[in-house]
Amino acid sequence: DAGVIQSPRHEVTEMGQEVTLRCKPISGHDYLFWYRQTMMRGLELLIYFNNNVPIDDSGMPEDRFSAKMPNASFSTLKIQPSEPRDSAVYFCASSLSGGQNQPQHFGDGTRLSIL
Amino acid sequence: AQSVAQPEDQVNVAEGNPLTVKCTYSVSGNPYLFWYVQYPNRGLQFLLKYITGDNLVKGSYGFEAEFNKSQTSFHLKKPSALVSDSALYFCAVRDKLNNDMRFGAGTRLTVKP
Repeated sequence: DAGVIQSPRHEVTEMGQEVTLRCKPISGHDYLFWYRQTMMRGLELLIYFNNNVPIDDSGMPEDRFSAKMPNASFSTLKIQPSEPRDSAVYFCASSLSGGQNQPQHFGDGTRLSIL
Repeated sequence: AQSVAQPEDQVNVAEGNPLTVKCTYSVSGNPYLFWYVQYPNRGLQFLLKYITGDNLVKGSYGFEAEFNKSQTSFHLKKPSALVSDSALYFCAVRDKLNNDMRFGAGTRLTVKP
């Protein structure tokens, strides 16, 4: 049973470039979450979707960040233009509906380095 | 808004000894509480959760946690630590009104042989 799949696992790019992170949630899960993890700030929720609809994007740091979920099996987080301070590990997680008592299942993350 | 605190950045225990990783929370109303573990270069893995009922919750890998409403705590415990338990542990809280889950800053557990 495949878990949450994220790609790429590592991304190194120069500042100013567009970066696209990808996520495939667990089949049947209708919530999808994007997190950013840094040493300084820990785990931050960026945005989450329910049934492909963005519900809360208040954690998105700037307009340079955007997220989409065109269908139930795919989501992207895009940074354009990227900056060195965006360097972090980005996690995608998914969960079932049925109440707030459902645990989230995390992918292995994308380690992003902006030079 | 809900919040969670993990007062210890680091916990060191000897293998075979009991371990405790502390967590306190703040939420309006009754909380849903979770523990996750993160191994190097991996995502967070769900360990256990408290929803309602028994205050002592048992989870994966022999871990358990005790919900204490009066102290607003949800400490993670294991009777006998293993070296392989060494990892980063996160406590999380979610209130019943929304899906916003708040994570603690994490506690690095090191179990020495």
